[in-house]
Amino acid sequence: GAGVSQSPSNKVTEKGKDVELRCDPISGHTALYWYRQSLGQGLEFLIYFQGNSAPDKSGLPSDRFSAERTGGSVSTLTIQRTQQEDSAVYLCASSATGDRNQPQHFGDGTRLSIL
Amino acid sequence: GQSLEQPSEVTAVEGAIVQINCTYQTSGFYGLSWYQQHDGGAPTFLSYNGLDGLEETGRFSSFLSRSDSYGYLLLQELQMKDSASYFCAVRPGGYNKLIFGAGTRLAVHP
Repeated sequence: GAGVSQSPSNKVTEKGKDVELRCDPISGHTALYWYRQSLGQGLEFLIYFQGNSAPDKSGLPSDRFSAERTGGSVSTLTIQRTQQEDSAVYLCASSATGDRNQPQHFGDGTRLSIL
Repeated sequence: GQSLEQPSEVTAVEGAIVQINCTYQTSGFYGLSWYQQHDGGAPTFLSYNGLDGLEETGRFSSFLSRSDSYGYLLLQELQMKDSASYFCAVRPGGYNKLIFGAGTRLAVHP
């Protein structure tokens, strides 16, 4: 497809379970970002991948959160031992390069609900 | 630290002009961006200001004053479809991530 694709679109799980969220960026985009958005709030940066460089993990809220990007394309965000405060919309974005003036193109997000 | 302030809500009528202000505090600064998000939708890029001044894209314009740590988004000839949340975002110095404001919810009425 032409845009950023995220799956699943919705995920409901019980507290304490692990979840994996997937992001397929726009083909050829070297930069990939994960954000999360709580209801009625702005976007909170989580992690950034650029090419083969070490990712910027400065936004990950705890060691229960991790992400990887395989082959410079698809990325997976993993949350272990989920807590109720992890409930949010998780958004992935990609940009053609990591340059400052490059727009970020967002997917529709994964709405995560922890029971 | 970094912080951005923008009004939480703005209301306007069709055909009018509305300005959404954004003030920021960052350690280093590499540009101010604006994104639009309809309810339940993905944020979409509207504009980027790296230097002082006005950038115009159709009905939307964005302004930046780095000396005042201030910018605004100007929407002209408002249409009902412009009802959405608008986020300003800054790129702090040395980083490629974006720091977003809490968003301004714009309601356009007939």
